[in-house]
Amino acid sequence: AQSVTQLGSHVSVSEGALVLLRCNYSSSVPPYLFWYVQYPNQGLQLLLKYTTGATLVKGINGFEAEFKKSETSFHLTKPSAHMSDAAEYFCAVRALRGGSEKLVFGKGTKLTVNP
Amino acid sequence: EAGVVQSPRYKIIEKKQPVAFWCNPISGHNTLYWYRQNLGQGPELLIRYENEEAVDDSQLPKDRFSAERLKGVDSTLKIQPAELGDSAVYLCASSLEGAVSYEQYFGPGTRLTVT
Repeated sequence: AQSVTQLGSHVSVSEGALVLLRCNYSSSVPPYLFWYVQYPNQGLQLLLKYTTGATLVKGINGFEAEFKKSETSFHLTKPSAHMSDAAEYFCAVRALRGGSEKLVFGKGTKLTVNP
Repeated sequence: EAGVVQSPRYKIIEKKQPVAFWCNPISGHNTLYWYRQNLGQGPELLIRYENEEAVDDSQLPKDRFSAERLKGVDSTLKIQPAELGDSAVYLCASSLEGAVSYEQYFGPGTRLTVT
């Protein structure tokens, strides 16, 4: 079965500091990996995704993630945090079940950015 | 371009009462998803439609939940009767096609409270 584990339900950083949100996955098939962001009272928005090809993936709002097969990780980073980055972030992996594919989400990491 | 529209945004009902949620996906999107997001968790897929056909409803509790997507556009998710454990945010999403490599666009959700 495919699953993701997000390490740390809450992360707090200072404005301008590095953002690092951790995601480890488990998958018996080549993984497709995703990061979504959810602002308060809003739906989820895709930040970036990895399917095949380059292992360093750049997304919106200055975020990037690196697929590391040997470490089964897909950590999300941003060099300099901005107040507007405060939100909840979800890592997701493609799951193949019963001939159908779907996204399986982690429990989320809430990012707080302090002035 | 209008995003995914959901209504109502909030709903409070007593247990054993029925409730319905409505979703209007992005124009031209063939695939529509209903997710449930419990507090402190990531979204979990309830049902996926390709046009009018429900192609994955394996996670839908069919004893009390039902859904329909008439004419392959709008969709309604119903719970009857509601239980206390149904309190959650119900998210609708749509995408051009059903493969997970296609970006899913999420609506703001309906927050259901069952008392």
